[in-house]
Order: sequence, then C-alpha cells, then structure tokens
Amino acid sequence: RKEVEQDPGPFNVPEGATVAFNCTYSNSASQSFFWYRQDCRKEPKLLMSVYSSGNEDGRFTAQLNRASQYISLLIRDSKLSDSATYLCVGIIQGAQKLVFGQGTRLTINP
Amino acid sequence: DGGITQSPKYLFRKEGQNVTLSCEQNLNHDAMYWYRQDPGQGLRLIYYSQIVNDFQKGDIAEGYSVSREKKESFPLTVTSAQKNPTAFYLCASRLAGGYTGELFFGEGSRLTVL
Repeated sequence: RKEVEQDPGPFNVPEGATVAFNCTYSNSASQSFFWYRQDCRKEPKLLMSVYSSGNEDGRFTAQLNRASQYISLLIRDSKLSDSATYLCVGIIQGAQKLVFGQGTRLTINP
Repeated sequence: DGGITQSPKYLFRKEGQNVTLSCEQNLNHDAMYWYRQDPGQGLRLIYYSQIVNDFQKGDIAEGYSVSREKKESFPLTVTSAQKNPTAFYLCASRLAGGYTGELFFGEGSRLTVL
C-alpha cells in the first residue's frame, strides 16, 4: 500500500461549485501534512499546511482526521483559475522524508 | 532573490549516456530532495539529503546517484542503468528537521532519452 494515496480524478465541476477531495495515509506516525498545487508542466507550489484543528484560507479549507488517517481539501465557490492538480504531502520517518500522493486533477468548467 | 535553480530545463540524451542535472539553492536550507514525475503521475522520491556529505535513498534510487559536497548544491546523475529515464525531474529544499517547513521547488528539468 502506498504511504500517501489520492483519488487521481479527474474531477470536472462547474464554476462556482464546491469540491472536496481526500488523501489517505498509511503511516500513523505521519506528523504533518500539506496541500500543494501544480499547474500543467510547472513545479508544485504550497497551497496550505494542514493542522489537526483544521484551517481555512479564503475559499480553501483543509482538515486532518487522525482517527481515520485522512486529510481533506475543500474548495468553495470554485474559479476557473482553480483548475490544476492538487498534491497532498505527508512528513514521515522522523521528519526527514516527504511523501507525495499521486495528485488529484481538477478542472473547473465555465 | 532567494530560490532554487535547476539546469538545464530541457535535456536530450542518447541511450547509454550518463547525464547530470544541476540543483543550486541560496535559501540556506539544510535539506534537499530530488523527485521524479511521470506524465499524469505524482512525485516519487529519488534521493534526499539532510546535511552536507550525507544523503539517503528514496523510493526509486536505482539508476541514479547524487552528491552533497556543498550545502547549496545537490546534483543528480541519471546513469545508463536507469531503464526508463525520460521524465520531469524536480529538485526541492526545506529547513531540516521538524514537521513544519515549506518545500521549495526549482522549475524542473525535462529529460528525454532518444
């Protein structure tokens, strides 16, 4: 089983919709998680960190559920510019190794 | 401006040739990473280094080699032993240790084997 897993999608949603996707992790010792955004043929860039208490940044909300070992990303009022691949990242093995999920591709349609 | 510089951006190689991808950072980060990305796939860890003169294998280290002689530099060599080297290679760095800290990426190097 992969250490970090995501539904690769693609997710196709209309502009203005709310979309959510999850990322599961297998190592219960994983301590920290992040969501990265990657545009086509570009490098990933940090979208937001994920905290146990949940955190919100504008239209984006991230949640961590340690009991069920998953993290989630919710995008409200989606924009065309939100179209990208979203990667979840977990830090494991004594904070040395960062493991990426395979990414979830999101397309917002006008 | 601080950041990570990868070169070259595009590289073509004949089968059987070794190639070295450069990664330089001026962020004063201790930890550096190399990832490989195939089309439609996520990032897979090749090698990482937490400190000068030390590095660890990631999940797909076979056919690759690295060195960490200077804090700011972490070059990756793709050897002829790598059976399917055509991919997008990403170098990243972050402050070492702890469970926080953003991973900063270079713009990537696209390697194509002819």
